[in-house]
Amino acid sequence: EVQLVESGGGLVQPGGSLRLSCAASGFTLSGFWMHWVRQDPGKGLVWVSRINPDGGSTTYADAVKGRFTISRDDAKNTLFLQMNSLRADDTAVYYCTRSLFGASDFWGQGTLVTVSS
Amino acid sequence: QSVLTQPPSVSAAPGQKVTISCSGSSSNIGNNYVYWYQQLPGTAPKLLIYENNKRLSGIPDRFSGSKSGTSATLGITGLQTGDEADYYCGTWDSSLSACVFGTGTKVTVL
Repeated sequence: EVQLVESGGGLVQPGGSLRLSCAASGFTLSGFWMHWVRQDPGKGLVWVSRINPDGGSTTYADAVKGRFTISRDDAKNTLFLQMNSLRADDTAVYYCTRSLFGASDFWGQGTLVTVSS
Repeated sequence: QSVLTQPPSVSAAPGQKVTISCSGSSSNIGNNYVYWYQQLPGTAPKLLIYENNKRLSGIPDRFSGSKSGTSATLGITGLQTGDEADYYCGTWDSSLSACVFGTGTKVTVL
């Protein structure tokens, strides 16, 4: 059974950093594009970043470019999102997703990141 | 802020049909596949439709997708109370080099 389990969210002050993890099971991470998508509580979905199957290509939304870094550890079958210089408008539930046919066919349960002083 | 526009809400009685539109441009819907997601209250989104009109395995044929030009449509027939959810379209935007989602539509079963 395919599962994605995010962790690492929490409360952080503006300007701080957090590292989100997404542990995958039931499939091999290295065979798929993987994404991070976020959602402000009560609002819509916003794409954050993606990484290709071999980890050699990454893409970011303009809002996070230069501050966030997506990476993967294939030995641990885990996806990461390093978030630096966090701002209040980064507050959201962060989902990791697996991509199949260009769409996100599996989603984790999400992890809440709150940026506040 | 989203580049894909959806109606905020649609509603119909049980058993009836609703359609949800998703309007974009040539840089996104016009030249890329469209996907549709369902988000039930308090849960993560779930993929319903990929590549414009293909249902993911296990998705009932009450759900259908179509695309014409720079717009796409999700149809739900035989509406059930369990269909009450938020629905989002999504695609790739070639100009932004980014995935984009629609503004979301809340479906209410009267």
